[in-house]
Parts: sequence; C-alpha cells; structure tokens
Amino acid sequence: GAGVSQSPSNKVTEKGKDVELRCDPISGHTALYWYRQSLGQGLEFLIYFQGNSAPDKSGLPSDRFSAERTGGSVSTLTIQRTQQEDSAVYLCASSLARLAGGLDEQFFGPGTRLTVL
Amino acid sequence: AQKVTQAQTEISVVEKEDVTLDCVYETRDTTYYLFWYKQPPSGELVFLIRRNSFDEQNEISGRYSWNFQKSTSSFNFTITASQVVDSAVYFCALSGETSGSRLTFGEGTQLTVNP
Repeated sequence: GAGVSQSPSNKVTEKGKDVELRCDPISGHTALYWYRQSLGQGLEFLIYFQGNSAPDKSGLPSDRFSAERTGGSVSTLTIQRTQQEDSAVYLCASSLARLAGGLDEQFFGPGTRLTVL
Repeated sequence: AQKVTQAQTEISVVEKEDVTLDCVYETRDTTYYLFWYKQPPSGELVFLIRRNSFDEQNEISGRYSWNFQKSTSSFNFTITASQVVDSAVYFCALSGETSGSRLTFGEGTQLTVNP
C-alpha cells in the first residue's frame, strides 16, 4: 500500500513569504505527526494530531507555525513570514495509534526540504 | 524531560565487520518505548524496531540485534557482518506515557560501511 506522501519535495522561498507543506498519511492511520530535521537541532517534534482530539502543539517553535488536519486525513503545515532559520527538512509521520498512549511505530514520509533565502 | 544520547557521531567500518551503535536514554516514565530508525541517503526514515520498557528480552532480526538493558538505560543496536547497504544515519528514539506519542530522537550516528 501507499506510504506517507509529502509535497512539495523541495521548496525555495524568500524570507518573509508564507509557505504551506502538505502531508498525506497512510490510509487508516489516526495519528499524524510533524517533525523538523535541521543541521543544528537534529530531529525535533513539532505537532501531533490524534483523531478528533485537540492537537499537541507543544513543539511548535513560534506562533508563525501552524498546522491543520482536515477530515482526519491530510495535514497542512503553514509557516508564515519565513525566516532563514526555518530552513530544514520537514518530516511527516503517521501511525495507527493502536497502543495505549498511541505509542505505535511511526511511519515517515520523504520530507519537504525548505530553503529560505 | 526525556533525553536520548547517541555518543557516536560517525562510525566507519569495513564490510563484514560487526558494528554496535550505542543509545542511552533518560526518562522518568515507568512505561516507555524505544525505537531505532534508519535514514539512508535517500532521506526517508525507516522504522527498524520498537521495544517497550517491560520487555528486556534481546531481539534478533537477521543481521540486526538489539540489546535493551534498563539497569544502564541503554538500547544498543548491533549489525553483524555489515554490508555497504547498511550505510546510513541511525536514530534511536524514545516516547513515554507523559510525553504522549511524540518521539524524542538522539542526534543520530552516521554509519559508513566501506567495501
């Protein structure tokens, strides 16, 4: 079956512009996660959606970052007024969340490489 | 707070050598899960294994084996008879009952297997 897909694969933008990154999770996976991978910070958690519950936004680095998950499936991560330090690979993951606390393995997409000039 | 430490930034071996990647974790949770992921040059993170905190039995899968020791808070990963295709960055990760489902990753170990 299809894995997690993300688009675009690469995005180059100018400082100050807004960007939207898209994630299509594996069909049937109720949990969806966004992470960021950058040279200086490694892999960082950003936000987590589980079913109809309120998302866990505790990893978002600033209020310029937001995410939505429509219909319990596709998710969009939006970065407003991009800064150079936002340059990173943004990874999306999904899981079945069968286990208590949702501690199932997470399956990752290929990522979107964001470059802010 | 949770923390994962992978002290080995880079490891280089010659094909067919055995190699062990170290992972040490910190958590106050009683129930937690440990993971290993592989990130090949293509960039996509590939799930390798999940262990829960109540199961210290070591696991072997082909050339891969994992040694979980709660007494030393370690979850080490050994590749036996390494191959060039094993070259990748390997991440150890942790999630626990108080942190929900988020994964806390180590810094990763870049493994290079030379022919």
